[in-house]
Amino acid sequence: GAVVSQHPSWVICKSGTSVKIECRSLDFQATTMFWYRQFPKQSLMLMATSNEGSKATYEQGVEKDKFLINHASLTLSTLTVTSAHPEDSSFYICSARGDGSEETQYFGPGTRLLVL
Amino acid sequence: AQTVTQSQPEMSVQEAETVTLSCTYDTSESDYYLFWYKQPPSRQMILVIRQEAYKQQNATENRFSVNFQKAAKSFSLKISDSQLGDAAMYFCAWGSNYKLTFGKGTLLTVNP
Repeated sequence: GAVVSQHPSWVICKSGTSVKIECRSLDFQATTMFWYRQFPKQSLMLMATSNEGSKATYEQGVEKDKFLINHASLTLSTLTVTSAHPEDSSFYICSARGDGSEETQYFGPGTRLLVL
Repeated sequence: AQTVTQSQPEMSVQEAETVTLSCTYDTSESDYYLFWYKQPPSRQMILVIRQEAYKQQNATENRFSVNFQKAAKSFSLKISDSQLGDAAMYFCAWGSNYKLTFGKGTLLTVNP
């Protein structure tokens, strides 16, 4: 159980375009979803936390107009990188937690974004 | 702010042997969770083991066990009978209020 999918797994786009990444919880309802960014050989950096039906909470230094997050249902959250630039190239990972009191997050397989 | 420190950037172990990965954390909270996640070359984050801070008994999952020392704020992971498939980056994480703080990771190599 506790499977999280992400789509696409790979995306290459031109500078200035927008890219949408989907995160789905397949076998549980995700009260909260999280978006992380990971640079090569580094740890995960939390970008934002989203709860179903409410606005996302962004971490300090993360541009909310650049990284749009929508959590429209209990099984789907999307991250849109707007007007992407080469410095946005990275590995983006989502995670989800259920409605229990425990803190466990289950992670998606990640999306590699390359902006040319 | 909470911090998680993994002092071993890299570790290696012979297949079938035992290895221990270190993790310390700093927090003033009394109620929290601790986790070990592994990230193999596929980069999929996989939950290895979880420990609730209020539980004194150390968590175990098959070949994986932890040594949780709450007073010392230490949470080490022991991998017994290491297998080639255990080779991965291992991240220690501290969780409270539904957020996780990760350490920088330890890259584990398993030698045949």
